[in-house]
Amino acid sequence: EPEVTQTPSHQVTQMGQEVILRCVPISNHLYFYWYRQILGQKVEFLVSFYNNEISEKSEIFDDQFSVERPDGSNFTLKIRSTKLEDSAMYFCASSDGPVGYTFGSGTRLTVV
Amino acid sequence: AQSVTQLGSHVSVSEGALVLLRCNYSSSVPPYLFWYVQYPNQGLQLLLKYTSAATLVKGINGFEAEFKKSETSFHLTKPSAHMSDAAEYFCAVRTDSSYKLIFGSGTRLLVRP
Repeated sequence: EPEVTQTPSHQVTQMGQEVILRCVPISNHLYFYWYRQILGQKVEFLVSFYNNEISEKSEIFDDQFSVERPDGSNFTLKIRSTKLEDSAMYFCASSDGPVGYTFGSGTRLTVV
Repeated sequence: AQSVTQLGSHVSVSEGALVLLRCNYSSSVPPYLFWYVQYPNQGLQLLLKYTSAATLVKGINGFEAEFKKSETSFHLTKPSAHMSDAAEYFCAVRTDSSYKLIFGSGTRLLVRP
């Protein structure tokens, strides 16, 4: 069964550093997403991406965040200057439309 | 705006007992609803989804959920709990805007021996 692959599985970074989280969505999917889950809390939507542009973003997704699909296969989330409160599990997901959703296994980001 | 509410942040059952995890939704259009399970330090695994076909949806691991429009509910059930069912369960609704999912706050299921 096709999978969404996320790398790395765990990243530790110093406050103020830039991080890039990587995702390889399912190849024939058209919609791409990033979600965040702070430890012990619910999963929150960050951003959706369709047709090579952001289709929707949440209030969390401020100027410190950006997404890219640089080469037609990878989908990346960049945090320019990390803060302690950015520590969370970040999930990538892709979809072929209304209901064909697949999540990756997540990247645990720890900001120290 | 669409949303889901999960009643009970923690549910504790004995092994072999019925599991009932509650989810109510709010949506102005026919909703697409999902249940996900998350084991400790792991990702989200899809249990089942409702896509406006049959109102009783069967999923993996013996779980099922029934869509009840009159009650705006999509509760998750399993006839007999197993120790391996202990996990966090999330209900989610798909929105019309960009097809993103809105998650409930989750219910942690504890299974007592």
